[in-house]
Amino acid sequence: DADVTQTPRNRITKTGKRIMLECSQTKGHDRMYWYRQDPGLGLQLIYYSFDVKDINKGEISDGYSVSRQAQAKFSLSLESAIPNQTALYFCATSDLAASGQYFGPGTRLTVL
Amino acid sequence: RKEVEQDPGPFNVPEGATVAFNCTYSNSASQSFFWYRQDCRKEPKLLMSVYSSGNEDGRFTAQLNRASQYISLLIRDSKLSDSATYLCVVNRGNDMRFGAGTRLTVKP
Repeated sequence: DADVTQTPRNRITKTGKRIMLECSQTKGHDRMYWYRQDPGLGLQLIYYSFDVKDINKGEISDGYSVSRQAQAKFSLSLESAIPNQTALYFCATSDLAASGQYFGPGTRLTVL
Repeated sequence: RKEVEQDPGPFNVPEGATVAFNCTYSNSASQSFFWYRQDCRKEPKLLMSVYSSGNEDGRFTAQLNRASQYISLLIRDSKLSDSATYLCVVNRGNDMRFGAGTRLTVKP
């Protein structure tokens, strides 16, 4: 089984709809992250969390919110989706500040 | 200016060639450095960490120059399976910054 899973893997929705993307991990890592990837721009950090009580904004948090329900779960919400939120979304985990991150398979979101 | 800059490529090389990628970063307080590999429409995967002393993993060699804020990746004896996008990543302590990636295609 994969260490970092994301659901759904693909989603098409309409402008104004509320969307939730879920991430679960079995690696036992405390740190979890949400990124979006757009062609030619690389990955941009949306939010990150170092434990269940900790939530931090990243580079591009406007229009997004997150919830860290447990050490193993970190969900990303788009309260009112807009077309420029169409992107590939990745969840990642890490155990230490200096260590690399491990990514989930991604969620491809299309907002019409 | 982006915090992490990479030559986007594409680099098209024959099998067996040696190819080098470069990356520069602007935040001098950056703490740790990595190269990731990303295949088309897949998640990034950690390739290797990068140390000032230089480090090698098989055909891959990474180097960090903190004074110049410059990171490199050298791939020797390229294989078809090395075709991918290579991401330079800089850890600022609490979060990471990713370069946009350098695309490599290895041809028969």
